[in-house]
Parts: sequence; structure tokens; C-alpha cells
Amino acid sequence: GENVEQHPSTLSVQEGDSAVIKCTYSDSASNYFPWYKQELGKRPQLIIDIRSNVGEKKDQRIAVTLNKTAKHFSLHITETQPEDSAVYFCASPNTGGFKTIFGAGTRLFVKA
Amino acid sequence: GAVVSQHPSWVICKSGTSVKIECRSLDFQATTMFWYRQFPKQSLMLMATSNEGSKATYEQGVEKDKFLINHASLTLSTLTVTSAHPEDSSFYICSARDMTRPTYEQYFGPGTRLTVT
Repeated sequence: GENVEQHPSTLSVQEGDSAVIKCTYSDSASNYFPWYKQELGKRPQLIIDIRSNVGEKKDQRIAVTLNKTAKHFSLHITETQPEDSAVYFCASPNTGGFKTIFGAGTRLFVKA
Repeated sequence: GAVVSQHPSWVICKSGTSVKIECRSLDFQATTMFWYRQFPKQSLMLMATSNEGSKATYEQGVEKDKFLINHASLTLSTLTVTSAHPEDSSFYICSARDMTRPTYEQYFGPGTRLTVT
């Protein structure tokens, strides 16, 4: 069945450093890959997404890369700031694109 | 645009009682809404897909008689937790997709924290 694996589960970086979170998916037909940021007690917020016809997408300090051959996509945050501290989830639609399967999440700590 | 509201934001109830949570799409029509449950330090687990005008589709392991879903209009879906028990305490989040748009983006509600005592 569909599966999305996310690593690492916890990531601690120094302010100003880069953070990279990686997800792998199992359904080769998947064509949409969003990343969400969730702060404690809040709703998930879409921070960036990428479609399968593109290999990379950037939005200021955030970028997502997609490798369809290897079936993995990664979130890159550069020049991290304390306010980037949160839980980040990757996701991918299931076969048919009707439901969204979430990764287990990565808890990012940015130390000042 | 694409705002989803949820009510209540938090609720405390006694074991054995029922609780209803509402999810509304405020500025778009949502033929499909999704209900998730999130336990502390865990991911979002899809409970069911709510379809306007038809029965909900439940994920494996989710009791449909315990978690009643009604999607009576294009802007409102409700989740009723019946005979709640302490193990039902969790963060419940709904989301909606604007099916008229060629995108998979989901819009999440702010969540409802349920505590069963």
C-alpha cells in the first residue's frame, strides 16, 4: 500500500545552519508533494509543495527537491532561525490522489 | 481565501457522553472533507473521508459507529464522538479540498482538542 517514510525524527541545528529533511514514498504514480509546518497546538501550515514535473522549487529560505527515480523528496531550510523550530511533515497523495498520506514528522530545534 | 474553521477549539467531556465537532469551509465549497486525529508527538492519522450527500469512507481500524460523520452541505461536515472514553482524548483536525480547483492542496481547520475525563 501507500507509504511515506520521513527522516530524521528529530533534528537539532545551530541558528544560521541549514536543515534537511528527507521523505521517501512508495507509489510511483504520486505527483504532488507538499511540506507542512506545525507548531504546538496549531494546524499544519503548507510551506511549500512541488509537482512531479519539476525537480526543484524555492521560496526564499525554503526549497524542496524531488527525485522521482529514487522516489524521494527533501525539504531544505537555509539560514535557520529560532522561529523555524516546529514539527515538519511531508505528505503525498495516495493512488488516485484522493487521500493524503503523511510522514511521521520531524521535530526541528533551532538553537540560538 | 480557502479558510476552514472548526468548532469548538477545545472541549472537555465526561466518559460515556458524546461530543460533536463542526468543520466549515468559509469561502469555498468542499465536496470532500477529511477528518484526522493526532496524538501527542505523533503524525496526523486519517480517520475518514467525508463526502457531501453520501456516507463517509472510514479508514481501516476506525469504528464508524463510534465516530459518526455527517456532511450535510457543501460547507459543513460534523464529527460526533459517541460514548467517549479517555483513550479518545486527542487533537482532531479537519481539512477540505476545493475540488473545483486543479490542485491537491488541502486547507486545514485549526483543530479541536478533546479531553475525556
